[in-house]
Amino acid sequence: GEDVEQSLFLSVREGDSSVINCTYTDSSSTYLYWYKQEPGAGLQLLTYIFSNMDMKQDQRLTVLLNKKDKHLSLRIADTQTGDSAIYFCAESKGSARQLTFGSGTQLTVLP
Amino acid sequence: NAGVTQTPKFRILKIGQSMTLQCTQDMNHNYMYWYRQDPGMGLKLIYYSVGAGITDKGEVPNGYNVSRSTTEDFPLRLELAAPSQTSVYFCASSREYNEQFFGPGTRLTVL
Repeated sequence: GEDVEQSLFLSVREGDSSVINCTYTDSSSTYLYWYKQEPGAGLQLLTYIFSNMDMKQDQRLTVLLNKKDKHLSLRIADTQTGDSAIYFCAESKGSARQLTFGSGTQLTVLP
Repeated sequence: NAGVTQTPKFRILKIGQSMTLQCTQDMNHNYMYWYRQDPGMGLKLIYYSVGAGITDKGEVPNGYNVSRSTTEDFPLRLELAAPSQTSVYFCASSREYNEQFFGPGTRLTVL
């Protein structure tokens, strides 16, 4: 199966919180990342968490890591229409910190 | 800094043709990567390089070749294009143990 799995779609109302979930399989991953991709664009790093942390907060973004269940989540507070995009989680491993990506979650923010 | 630049932005190839996708970074990063993104999927690693003169295979290297003669440039070569290579190609670079910065991508169609 896939190393990193995400649900494909999420819709929320503007102003609500969004929670995007991800599971990974490699417990040796050192960093876990969240990237954002807008239509026709490359990937933009949103935030990351080191594997020995449980939580990281960065303005509207909160990352939670459950190492026991190999579960990662990204919470976006006060979601705005500009947050509509595809969100990828990725795990980093290997000598060159190669990234393994999930399939991405399409977030749609409804007015 | 321009960051990571890729050329061309778009290309249509006939089966059996060859081409080189160009990638250049001006951040003096040692690590460079090539990924492909198929529709509705996450990115998969094709090749990577940890420095000039050093390259290694990623998850999906078949049908591609790379070279790294300078720190700045990391071209990706397709020798005999096949429809299965229709995809969006992203180049990325990073310092050791740091985040990867992505280029805007090259959209390739093989007919």
